[in-house]
Amino acid sequence: DVKVTQSSRYLVKRTGEKVFLECVQDMDHENMFWYRQDPGLGLRLIYFSYDVKMKEKGDIPEGYSVSREKKERFSLILESASTNQTSMYLCASSLWGPEAFFGQGTRLTVV
Amino acid sequence: GESVGLHLPTLSVQEGDNSIINCAYSNSASDYFIWYKQESGKGPQFIIDIRSNMDKRQGQRVTVLLNKTVKHLSLQIAATQPGDSAVYFCAENKAAGNKLTFGGGTRVLVKP
Repeated sequence: DVKVTQSSRYLVKRTGEKVFLECVQDMDHENMFWYRQDPGLGLRLIYFSYDVKMKEKGDIPEGYSVSREKKERFSLILESASTNQTSMYLCASSLWGPEAFFGQGTRLTVV
Repeated sequence: GESVGLHLPTLSVQEGDNSIINCAYSNSASDYFIWYKQESGKGPQFIIDIRSNMDKRQGQRVTVLLNKTVKHLSLQIAATQPGDSAVYFCAENKAAGNKLTFGGGTRVLVKP
């Protein structure tokens, strides 16, 4: 089975902190994604990567950056966390095609 | 701009009945349209997809219909079961860049 693992289920951080969300997949997938999920807004794409060291902005990249130094790992970075970044963050991976595999999510609260 | 949206935020269904979840899209350039299911406390899970050059595709207890004339996508679940209670998302995918864009989600509640 494909496994996408996010490092934390729950995180509480203070405003202004630098926050790292880690995601690892074990299926040698080319593509990896970070989404945030908010009530009524569905899943919105923050960043995605289709290869090591490659990244593309999604629909809401402001306030975020990403890192993909190894194929299996895709990190989301909040440079200076703000309360409006309180959300559920979902990582996903895929080969070329429509089927993506998601992690269980990280619920981040910024206080 | 691109958007994938849903008609109904919540759908209540009697166990054993068929469910129909609808979705409207505005971007005709997508290569695939996809349905995902998200159970409480979990990430979304792929259910079924349909290529943009198809009208209908069937899976196990699910059927996806694509009407390109009115830019409408639907998911039909036959004989809805309690385990079908979840939030369902439609999504679109363009092969170039493999970007997935999601709609807002419909919650399906199955009544015993």
